[in-house]
Amino acid sequence: RKEVEQDPGPFNVPEGATVAFNCTYSNSASQSFFWYRQDCRKEPKLLMSVYSSGNEDGRFTAQLNRASQYISLLIRDSKLSDSATYLCVVEDNDMRFGAGTRLTVKP
Amino acid sequence: EPEVTQTPSHQVTQMGQEVILRCVPISNHLYFYWYRQILGQKVEFLVSFYNNEISEKSEIFDDQFSVERPDGSNFTLKIRSTKLEDSAMYFCASSALYPGTDNQPQHFGDGTRLSIL
Repeated sequence: RKEVEQDPGPFNVPEGATVAFNCTYSNSASQSFFWYRQDCRKEPKLLMSVYSSGNEDGRFTAQLNRASQYISLLIRDSKLSDSATYLCVVEDNDMRFGAGTRLTVKP
Repeated sequence: EPEVTQTPSHQVTQMGQEVILRCVPISNHLYFYWYRQILGQKVEFLVSFYNNEISEKSEIFDDQFSVERPDGSNFTLKIRSTKLEDSAMYFCASSALYPGTDNQPQHFGDGTRLSIL
């Protein structure tokens, strides 16, 4: 079983659309959760941490459901610059990356 | 904003040769990591390092690999007797606190692209 699983996409959406990404993880002892974004051939960059109570940063909302071992990321009013691969990352003693969900926002 | 720096940005090496990838973590960070990403695949954890010793390592990190913190600033990954399948992007990362502590993220360097010929 994959440790961190994401829908690979690709998601192709028009500007202004709302898009949601999902992620499941297998280790119930995982302690920290993040969304990173990765542009083509670049390093992963932290987008936001994910807290149990859910958290929002501008157009981005992240949620965590520990009981279901499920993490989500919602992007509202998507911009062209949001085009990237979004990586779900789960951390206990080390970081486990999902394979990423590719998003393309089109004009 | 402080950042993790890696050198070189691109390394081309003949198969069988040794290669050393270098990283300068963020100065007040205590935990250091190496990851690799084969082209088109996901980021894979290699090793974590704290207090001058390896904390965790993955099954990828076999005897071919070693890490070292030779001085107060550098953190290196050595790959001995490189193979074609070692070709990948190698990312260094650092964090201030222990992995899994209070959502403290890791900060990544730009990566070194390693090409084995």
